Amino acid sequence: SQQGEEDPQALSIQEGENATMNCSYKTSINNLQWYRQNSGRGLVHLILIRSNEREKHSGRLRVTLDTSKKSSSLLITASRAADTASYFCATAPSQGNLIFGKGTKLSVKP
Amino acid sequence: DTEVTQTPKHLVMGMTNKKSLKCEQHMGHRAMYWYKQKAKKPPELMFVYSYEKLSINESVPSRFSPECPNSSLLNLHLHALQPEDSALYLCASSQVRLANTGELFFGEGSRLTVL
Repeated sequence: SQQGEEDPQALSIQEGENATMNCSYKTSINNLQWYRQNSGRGLVHLILIRSNEREKHSGRLRVTLDTSKKSSSLLITASRAADTASYFCATAPSQGNLIFGKGTKLSVKP
Repeated sequence: DTEVTQTPKHLVMGMTNKKSLKCEQHMGHRAMYWYKQKAKKPPELMFVYSYEKLSINESVPSRFSPECPNSSLLNLHLHALQPEDSALYLCASSQVRLANTGELFFGEGSRLTVL
């Protein structure tokens, strides 16, 4: 069964706006990762946040993790048309392999 | 550019054909993975190899047969597939099998169509 559930399923914004995607999960984790996938392509790792971290930044990306609520958010600031893609959270449980959520499809309009 | 190379990019095969998907990485990673991804769905784990040994088989039908000839190569042999097996097959690698602590590097995928 899937561990992570992203919200919203689809998001459409204008270039320059910020995009926020949320991920909820069910069991305890070692870390949580975010990946991007352009249509029909492979996944690209964006950022990893460990269970003892609360916030992490990478360029225009900001990830938060709330282990008490079992949730994470990915914020993309000043979005660009090139950010158009599907975004997946992936949880690394204490036992077992990485589990991907259903994904959020982001569309950034120029 | 991805450092995990998958061939072919596209494959069309009949239900009686035998074909193979290939994956190669030269990052010195010791864990390699096969994922299957249907349209608008997340990737689903199929197999995990750790130090060239099969460590995970997620109840995949025997018409899919993985092989890891060495630490850089991963194959997926296909035989007697069904149309519902049509999907994007993704190969990934990580430094060690402890995917719980590190990132996965994905190839661009092989788009398989079974007629």
